[in-house]
Amino acid sequence: SQQGEEDPQALSIQEGENATMNCSYKTSINNLQWYRQNSGRGLVHLILIRSNEREKHSGRLRVTLDTSKKSSSLLITASRAADTASYFCATDATGGGNKLTFGTGTQLKVEL
Amino acid sequence: GAVVSQHPSRVICKSGTSVKIECRSLDFQATTMFWYRQFPKQSLMLMATSNEGSKATYEQGVEKDKFLINHASLTLSTLTVTSAHPEDSSFYICSAREWDRGSTGELFFGEGSRLTVL
Repeated sequence: SQQGEEDPQALSIQEGENATMNCSYKTSINNLQWYRQNSGRGLVHLILIRSNEREKHSGRLRVTLDTSKKSSSLLITASRAADTASYFCATDATGGGNKLTFGTGTQLKVEL
Repeated sequence: GAVVSQHPSRVICKSGTSVKIECRSLDFQATTMFWYRQFPKQSLMLMATSNEGSKATYEQGVEKDKFLINHASLTLSTLTVTSAHPEDSSFYICSAREWDRGSTGELFFGEGSRLTVL
């Protein structure tokens, strides 16, 4: 299966700034999910957006989905040092047997 | 959210030995679990889908005889890396979905197992 692409690969910002990460994918999807991974740890689910949704919010997170462009973005507002982690998008492809395909990830560093 | 426990978190072994990694769903039943492999600073690559009571489904390029998967109960899946070699050194992560509670499809992950083969 083909992985999605995320950009940027790495992002460094100051605490309090907003961080935006983008994800592009190639297949039609049932939903798209965003996960966070702290170094050397497992992944934690952040938010899921269905194919018929265009925008979703959860706390400081805002996710958009454009199925015509096969792309999604994750915005973290008012970032904190604790947000430092790798962020992955994952797609649940239509007819994909409920498997998730993960993107290449964005390494976010939030500096004090 | 649901809890997935993975053990061991770190293992170092000699080349040629076999290593077993366990993945348990602690507070839900998981008919399906997924095993991923992750190299440093890279994404997760799905290795196989573990199905309770039946054979695992392996992704293309993953050796079935090398990576043995057993899903004997609704709460436990195991991955055995047989005759491990240094190139098998990696971070292995399991995950599961909690369908029974009306999950929308998110995965719950174990904490991962770092395998180092000397």
